[in-house]
Amino acid sequence: GESVGLHLPTLSVQEGDNSIINCAYSNSASDYFIWYKQESGKGPQFIIDIRSNMDKRQGQRVTVLLNKTVKHLSLQIAATQPGDSAVYFCAETLNTGGFKTIFGAGTRLFVKA
Amino acid sequence: NAGVTQTPKFQVLKTGQSMTLQCAQDMNHEYMSWYRQDPGMGLRLIHYSVGAGITDQGEVPNGYNVSRSTTEDFPLRLLSAAPSQTSVYFCASRAGGLMGSPLHFGNGTRLTVT
Repeated sequence: GESVGLHLPTLSVQEGDNSIINCAYSNSASDYFIWYKQESGKGPQFIIDIRSNMDKRQGQRVTVLLNKTVKHLSLQIAATQPGDSAVYFCAETLNTGGFKTIFGAGTRLFVKA
Repeated sequence: NAGVTQTPKFQVLKTGQSMTLQCAQDMNHEYMSWYRQDPGMGLRLIHYSVGAGITDQGEVPNGYNVSRSTTEDFPLRLLSAAPSQTSVYFCASRAGGLMGSPLHFGNGTRLTVT
């Protein structure tokens, strides 16, 4: 079926540590994957994306890894800061008609000072 | 650029009332969509549009109607509100013809149906 899920609903890390948020997807027809960050009272904001022909992509302090063999996506945040506290969603865009974007349930990241 | 603008920010309805949630974007995006977000759940796709005059159903379309008469606007209509429609609604858009482009979200409309 079409579903995107997350292994951990909450994650608590110490400031300065690295964070890893995991995501499993089930639709092999997905060609494009995105991580979003949502702060309280706001809409999701784009963090980083990756296409299915890649297995790693790096941004500023963030890295996304894609393992198509096991349909797994992860977001790594280096040197986690208090401002990183938020809910993180992975999403996949299906390459079928309409190119719908399906979201996972989200992981809440707490950063302890 | 204002991006994606949603109005109103908050709304309380009684069961059976109707209303329209407004969404406008000024980025000339072809693709627009509506999601609802419930506590403990991710965003679920209600309806989407790949261009003016074209709409299609998402994961949870029942109880909602949409239309797309212009590129800029994509209103969501609740014809007869039900308590199960209490949620936060997000409108999002992205450049059309490009599957691989991220969605831009508005800041949401928090709807309560009593």
